[in-house]
Amino acid sequence: GAGVSQSPSNKVTEKGKDVELRCDPISGHTALYWYRQSLGQGLEFLIYFQGNSAPDKSGLPSDRFSAERTGGSVSTLTIQRTQQEDSAVYLCASSLRDAAGSNQPQHFGDGTRLSIL
Amino acid sequence: KNQVEQSPQSLIILEGKNCTLQCNYTVSPFSNLRWYKQDTGRGPVSLTIMTFSENTKSNGRYTATLDADTKQSSLHITASQLSDSASYICVVSAGDYGQNFVFGPGTRLSVLP
Repeated sequence: GAGVSQSPSNKVTEKGKDVELRCDPISGHTALYWYRQSLGQGLEFLIYFQGNSAPDKSGLPSDRFSAERTGGSVSTLTIQRTQQEDSAVYLCASSLRDAAGSNQPQHFGDGTRLSIL
Repeated sequence: KNQVEQSPQSLIILEGKNCTLQCNYTVSPFSNLRWYKQDTGRGPVSLTIMTFSENTKSNGRYTATLDADTKQSSLHITASQLSDSASYICVVSAGDYGQNFVFGPGTRLSVLP
């Protein structure tokens, strides 16, 4: 299908290791969002990319978290020196254009379930 | 502080019955309100999007209502099916640009045969 694709679907790693999570948005979607969802909690905003504009990084919880979006398409979220509190599901979403003020839906991937041992 | 609350936290109903989920928000400025369905282990899927001027919107057996004066929304599910078992998330857009989405904690619905 032509939905948002995230990889890996599951990742288990040891505390202190670095991890990279990948998101392939729907082709043509200019807006891309990363969220974190902890068990039983609402989605927590991490970072937002819109076209060629500077990303909104205001949701990143610490400087161990970073993200980039190459060529306006694929995005990678990197977590350095992972901690146990980083364990969560990381969700990526894309929309045709900025969704907040429009009727454009966000299309979500199925997420990467990250477990830090 | 912008906030979205949902009730109940969880709900169990029998197949074929109707149910209504509630969403209260304190978000300003308001742009639109969305309902998403999230199956276990999957990403959320959009059900409805309503702007300030819309009072109701339907998507099959799902009907959402919005009262912008009282800042309340509801999601009504008619003739529930087993496949309706999921979390239902209310999301309010706080402004007209960017990542200004405020997510509710969700209501976990279980439909039993």
